Amino acid sequence: AQKITQTQPGMFVQEKEAVTLDCTYDTSDQSYGLFWYKQPSSGEMIFLIYQGSYDEQNATEGRYSLNFQKARKSANLVISASQLGDSAMYFCAMSNPFYTGANSKLTFGKGITLSVRP
Amino acid sequence: DTAVSQTPKYLVTQMGNDKSIKCEQNLGHDTMYWYKQDSKKFLKIMFSYNNKELIINETVPNRFSPKSPDKAHLNLHINSLELGDSAVYFCASSGIMNTEAFFGQGTRLTVV
Repeated sequence: AQKITQTQPGMFVQEKEAVTLDCTYDTSDQSYGLFWYKQPSSGEMIFLIYQGSYDEQNATEGRYSLNFQKARKSANLVISASQLGDSAMYFCAMSNPFYTGANSKLTFGKGITLSVRP
Repeated sequence: DTAVSQTPKYLVTQMGNDKSIKCEQNLGHDTMYWYKQDSKKFLKIMFSYNNKELIINETVPNRFSPKSPDKAHLNLHINSLELGDSAVYFCASSGIMNTEAFFGQGTRLTVV
């Protein structure tokens, strides 16, 4: 079984600073994918970034980067230069098994609320 | 041009009614999903379809019946609605390599 753990209850960051949102996972599979989603107060789920278990480099997408530490089973999201619009709930998720698209449901963590202060 | 679109965005209905939520994706993806987000914001898979075939059914009451007329559409029909069905329902799709999974805007269902 797969499990995603997000334990930070709520995070605050000053505008223009960087923030790290923690995510740890548990799986017995060798191949898997890790995702981060943003859910603003308007409710939609916005895909931010993806990391494959065999990717040697950490994924980056604009101001988002994923700090992937396979041995520690962690996949933390780093947001650089925070903006007021980054205030939202952030979900870490994993897919398993990875290369079988038909069975690759996403297992989600409980989410972290991020508030950006002006 | 919206990649995954679901309608309606809001649905308020009385207990016992039957309702449907529609979902369409224009990404050419083979796999579509329904997820449920409860009042505590926890997201859980309900169903997945691959090219019109049911792949995952995660112990969802049989009052919930997904239907996929083609691989671009996955609708969710709910019979005899109960108060506990109130939640946000998300449709999603992913491609073969599953390196991206895109969600619709969600349908907030309120049963009164």
